[in-house]
Amino acid sequence: SQKIEQNSEALNIQEGKTATLTCNYTNYSPAYLQWYRQDPGRGPVFLLLIRENEKEKRKERLKVTFDTTLKQSLFHITASQPADSATYLCALDPGTGGFKTIFGAGTRLFVKA
Amino acid sequence: GAVVSQHPSRVICKSGTSVKIECRSLDFQATTMFWYRQFPKQSLMLMATSNEGSKATYEQGVEKDKFLINHASLTLSTLTVTSAHPEDSSFYICSAGRQGGSIYSNQPQHFGDGTRLSIL
Repeated sequence: SQKIEQNSEALNIQEGKTATLTCNYTNYSPAYLQWYRQDPGRGPVFLLLIRENEKEKRKERLKVTFDTTLKQSLFHITASQPADSATYLCALDPGTGGFKTIFGAGTRLFVKA
Repeated sequence: GAVVSQHPSRVICKSGTSVKIECRSLDFQATTMFWYRQFPKQSLMLMATSNEGSKATYEQGVEKDKFLINHASLTLSTLTVTSAHPEDSSFYICSAGRQGGSIYSNQPQHFGDGTRLSIL
């Protein structure tokens, strides 16, 4: 069956460290993959988009990788800050036609001061 | 600032009440908007695609008579939960894409801040 998997357990890290979140997918062939941030009780906010022919994308302290062989995307936040604490969602196009974006359940990140 | 505004942010009402949620694109025209439902610690589930000037397209398993969608203008879509019951309690979120409102995954979606619906 088709799945998007993000670590359901919260990630706790110390301020200043690099946070790495994982998004794995099975039985999809996405052309694009997106990452969003969602704060409690709020709608998701778009962060980054990476295409299948791009290995890596950066935006300020954020870095996303996309490995279509491993069927995995990694999302990194360098020099993390308590304000980075939120839930991070990955989203992809299943590549099955219809072009409807599918979201993972997200990983909760806590950055401790 | 926010480009999609959703109202109200929270609704608490009795079973059997109908509830209307509004979604507005503030600084762009959206021919298409999307309505999602989200349960705690779960992913966003697309309920329907709202099309300006035509009927909404509902996802499999979503009752169109239960969740009425009206896309009255290029900047406003409404979701009405009719005769709501406790099982309809959830977090409802709308979104739109700037470039023609497509849900194509090469276009970021701009989300409203959601509506927390609680049916007693």
